[in-house]
Amino acid sequence: QVQLQESGPGLVKPSETLSLTCAVSGFSISSGYYWGWIRQPPGKGLEWIGHIYHSGGTDYNPSLKSRVTISFDTSKKQFSLKLSSVTAADTAVYYCARVTGAPETRRFDSWGQGTLVTVSS
Amino acid sequence: DIQLTQSPSSLSASVGDRVTFTCRASQSIARYLNWYQQKPGKAPKLLIYGASSLHSGVPSRFSGSGSGTDFTLTISSLQPEDFASYFCQQSHGTLGFGQGTKVELK
Repeated sequence: QVQLQESGPGLVKPSETLSLTCAVSGFSISSGYYWGWIRQPPGKGLEWIGHIYHSGGTDYNPSLKSRVTISFDTSKKQFSLKLSSVTAADTAVYYCARVTGAPETRRFDSWGQGTLVTVSS
Repeated sequence: DIQLTQSPSSLSASVGDRVTFTCRASQSIARYLNWYQQKPGKAPKLLIYGASSLHSGVPSRFSGSGSGTDFTLTISSLQPEDFASYFCQQSHGTLGFGQGTKVELK
């Protein structure tokens, strides 16, 4: 059974870059699927950030695209999120997830537990 | 971008009740609509995909229907573990979520 676990700093200063990593166990990232990031500001709804295919192709939310980079590590046992020039509006719980389905049927079938990132000086 | 509007934003119900809530898309998304359950402090869990297909391991009291712009999620007999928030998500273009419906104990 696939398991995902986010890690990274819980506090980031404004204008800096938020960096998170998602470790995947129980499944080989290289075997397929997309691997994505979703965030949820405290008390609010969910926002898709983007995802990466096992071959390295990416797809980003247009509203965040200029600031987001999702990539694999060299061992492909984890993938990462970088969000640049953060502001208080980027304060949220960040989830990593496995994305399944064809392009028109994408859904998130396995999730990490989430990690709270606060943007504050 | 396609907007998803969920209603109601919250509802109060009792164990054993049949509850239904809706998700309306700002334009047709065929059947490209998924539903998630989220409990406080936890990650969402996939319940329904493709508007009406039950995800593996999800109890059969959950069902989804709809196509085009109007979709519903029904819980046939509410159980104590079902008090949670429910989100819809569309996959027709830029992925997006509704703002959620919170099911509370009456």
